Amino acid sequence: GQSLEQPSEVTAVEGAIVQINCTYQTSGFYGLSWYQQHDGGAPTFLSYNGLDGLEETGRFSSFLSRSDSYGYLLLQELQMKDSASYFCAAPHNFNKFYFGSGTKLNVKP
Amino acid sequence: NAGVTQTPKFQVLKTGQSMTLQCAQDMNHEYMSWYRQDPGMGLRLIHYSVGAGITDQGEVPNGYNVSRSTTEDFPLRLLSAAPSQTSVYFCASSYLPRAGSPLHFGNGTRLTVT
Repeated sequence: GQSLEQPSEVTAVEGAIVQINCTYQTSGFYGLSWYQQHDGGAPTFLSYNGLDGLEETGRFSSFLSRSDSYGYLLLQELQMKDSASYFCAAPHNFNKFYFGSGTKLNVKP
Repeated sequence: NAGVTQTPKFQVLKTGQSMTLQCAQDMNHEYMSWYRQDPGMGLRLIHYSVGAGITDQGEVPNGYNVSRSTTEDFPLRLLSAAPSQTSVYFCASSYLPRAGSPLHFGNGTRLTVT
């Protein structure tokens, strides 16, 4: 089977750095993706890691360690608009995309 | 470019009624999928398709049917609605059924079954 575990909620202050973790168990591994979803909205793609290491996209970075079955999303210089839910996702058997249960990020002034 | 379009945005059904949730994409994506989202449970895969004429089951397929007669359209059918199917439904598509190919989501259909 497949499972992706994330913390349910994280709170941080504006301007800070926050890390959202994801541990996974998969049948085969084809990479880890991250999505953002604002309340009432649709999920949008943030980043993808196919290999170990750090991928940086502006204020957001994502890290993967395949040996530890672990990844994280790092958000820097937090802004109020970053308040949202964040999901890690990975394919199962190559083409079934499964999502974690999501981490709700609360950014406080 | 419209992207992924879902209709309707809201729907209320009575138990036992049937309906079809529509999904269309104009990006020529081969891969399309349906998810349901319930509070605290993330997105759960219902059915997916890797191309016209090809569909397969996801994590929670019971109570739902799909078909893919064209590349653009991927409707989801509820044959006999149940209160447990109250949820937000998202359709998503991507260019290739691979991890690095981003999923593009529609704006969702909010379904209530009474």
